[in-house]
Amino acid sequence: QVQMVQSGAEVTKPGASVKVSCKAAGYTFSDYYIHWIQLTPGQGLEWMGWINPHSGDTNYAQKFQGWVTLTRDTSISTAHMELSRLKPDDTAVYYCAREKQAAYFDYWGQGTLVTVSS
Amino acid sequence: DIVMTQSPLSLPVTPGEPASISCRSTQSLLHSNGNNYLGWYLQKPGQSPHLLIYLASNRASGVSDRFSGSGSGTDFILKISRVEAEDVGVYYCMQALETPWTFGQGTKVEIK
Repeated sequence: QVQMVQSGAEVTKPGASVKVSCKAAGYTFSDYYIHWIQLTPGQGLEWMGWINPHSGDTNYAQKFQGWVTLTRDTSISTAHMELSRLKPDDTAVYYCAREKQAAYFDYWGQGTLVTVSS
Repeated sequence: DIVMTQSPLSLPVTPGEPASISCRSTQSLLHSNGNNYLGWYLQKPGQSPHLLIYLASNRASGVSDRFSGSGSGTDFILKISRVEAEDVGVYYCMQALETPWTFGQGTKVEIK
């Protein structure tokens, strides 16, 4: 069955970087775009961007452009999201999700809590 | 960006009674292919969001037939025919017509 398994919680300091992974299983990794979504108590769910696992092409929301980098490693069916120059306001749960029909997310990862605190 | 507005933001419900959530977009979500690019998701406490309805009115696999989606263009409705205790959580609508894909603020459903 399809699964999206994310890496564990991270605690880091302001100005640092962190990399979150999302391992896909149960389907052909290159066939479906993977998106990343941020959940914060104040803003709710925000779409961050997508990566095409086949080509490596990416698309970012303007808010996340420049400090979020999406990559993938097709050899291990894993998508990565690197967050850089982190601020306390970036404390959130980050989800990966598989896109279907260019229209919706049919499978989500379990979420990764990233805490930014001095 | 397309702004999605849900109402109400809080919805106390009685088990066995119907409930509905409205979602409005600032631009039509009707694509030239005839589909409305609107989905509904439920995030239960302690869980990831999961898909309920896609393309405005299609129930996702495994979703109870108590859930239905309707609407077109800029106005959409999620209906629960008979609320059950397991339906509590935060409901989100999301548009996927154009990037950035955007979510509504969320509607928190709780049992009275």
